Amino acid sequence: EDQVTQSPEALRLQEGESSSLNCSYTVSGLRGLFWYRQDPGKGPEFLFTLYSAGEEKEKERLKATLTKKESFLHITAPKPEDSATYLCAVQTRSQGNLIFGKGTKLSVKP
Amino acid sequence: NAGVTQTPKFQVLKTGQSMTLQCAQDMNHNSMYWYRQDPGMGLRLIYYSASEGTTDKGEVPNGYNVSRLNKREFSLRLESAAPSQTSVYFCASGREGLREQFFGPGTRLTVL
Repeated sequence: EDQVTQSPEALRLQEGESSSLNCSYTVSGLRGLFWYRQDPGKGPEFLFTLYSAGEEKEKERLKATLTKKESFLHITAPKPEDSATYLCAVQTRSQGNLIFGKGTKLSVKP
Repeated sequence: NAGVTQTPKFQVLKTGQSMTLQCAQDMNHNSMYWYRQDPGMGLRLIYYSASEGTTDKGEVPNGYNVSRLNKREFSLRLESAAPSQTSVYFCASGREGLREQFFGPGTRLTVL
């Protein structure tokens, strides 16, 4: 069975304290991995797509990386406005729809 | 561009009532999706439409019906609402193939 697991469930950081969020997956053939940001009361906002192991994408303080078993979302020197829930999703070769993890809730304190 | 829009934003129903959630996109996407999001469960796919004129079941389709009215619009209908359908519903759209999906702002539904 295809599965996506995100860890930790929640992460509290001080402003400027860099860290990483993990998304591990067990799927029968990965077509793509997606990262989203979700603010309270809003819909998920697309951040990155990664297609193959070794690939990296960056946007401001965020950097996403991909291996054959997991993806990391690295947050460098976070600010309070980076506080949100970050969702990971995979698309498999056997089905075209996205399978979502349960998310990591990030809180950044000033 | 408005992107993906959903109506209503909030709704309270009594058990057994029916309602339709509306979704529209202006990005000329072929594919549209309906998800529900519950605490501790993540986003789960209810139904999707790969292109105008086609619809398919997702992970949790029971108790729902959908209509792909045209390329822009995709509605979700609850014929007889149940408390288990209390959730936040998101519509999304995307191009076919290996493409990201873009989400609407959601509808928060409570069934009493």
